Amino acid sequence: DIQMTQSPSTLSASVGDRVTITCRASQTISTWLAWYQQKPGKAPKLLIYDASNLESGVPSRFSGSGSGREFTLTISSLQPDDFATYYCQQYNSYWAFGQGTKVEIK
Amino acid sequence: QVQLVESGGGVVQPGRSLRLSCAASGFTFSSYAMHWVRQAPGEGLEWVALISYDGNNKYYADSVKGQFTISRDNSKNTVYLQMNSLRTEDTAVYYCARERTLHYYGSQSSGMDVWGQGTTVTVS
Repeated sequence: DIQMTQSPSTLSASVGDRVTITCRASQTISTWLAWYQQKPGKAPKLLIYDASNLESGVPSRFSGSGSGREFTLTISSLQPDDFATYYCQQYNSYWAFGQGTKVEIK
Repeated sequence: QVQLVESGGGVVQPGRSLRLSCAASGFTFSSYAMHWVRQAPGEGLEWVALISYDGNNKYYADSVKGQFTISRDNSKNTVYLQMNSLRTEDTAVYYCARERTLHYYGSQSSGMDVWGQGTTVTVS
């Protein structure tokens, strides 16, 4: 099974900050990776697929990069609506999520 | 609009069964594979199962293999999750989600692009 590890688990940031979340796979997954945003009591929302492709309707301040085993999600200028938990997910072999990164207000 | 609505959750005793449903609307249901994903209280997301667009291919997480069964009825635009021999550790919010890849049958996935609001299963 492929394990996904995100860092950090919690991130404190201010509006306007540039934020980067890292996701590492236990084995190579090419670019078969997605990022999701989840707010409390709500379903996850797809942000990025195939490591770097922005899902339709997602603001351009979100971007993804990486391949192989290491990936990043970057929010270029954090907005009030972005405080949430973010999950990476591999779909190279079945599907598996990282443990999540909570982005909280500093 | 594109929508998924789950139902069937509730409180159930350990060892009993429950069937969840997920009704789709606003898109051609029979062209998309469907997932179930769960989230235990205060925990992260766990993929549970997938069924291909035509129902012929099914995949399960090891944690539910032999215990849960995914199925679909394309004439009713509905996907189901039959959960048997429920355990306390199955307590979670269960989400259905659409596989982003059109006509996925076991080829390359591209994530989950539409999600329902979730239904809560409590095993106690």
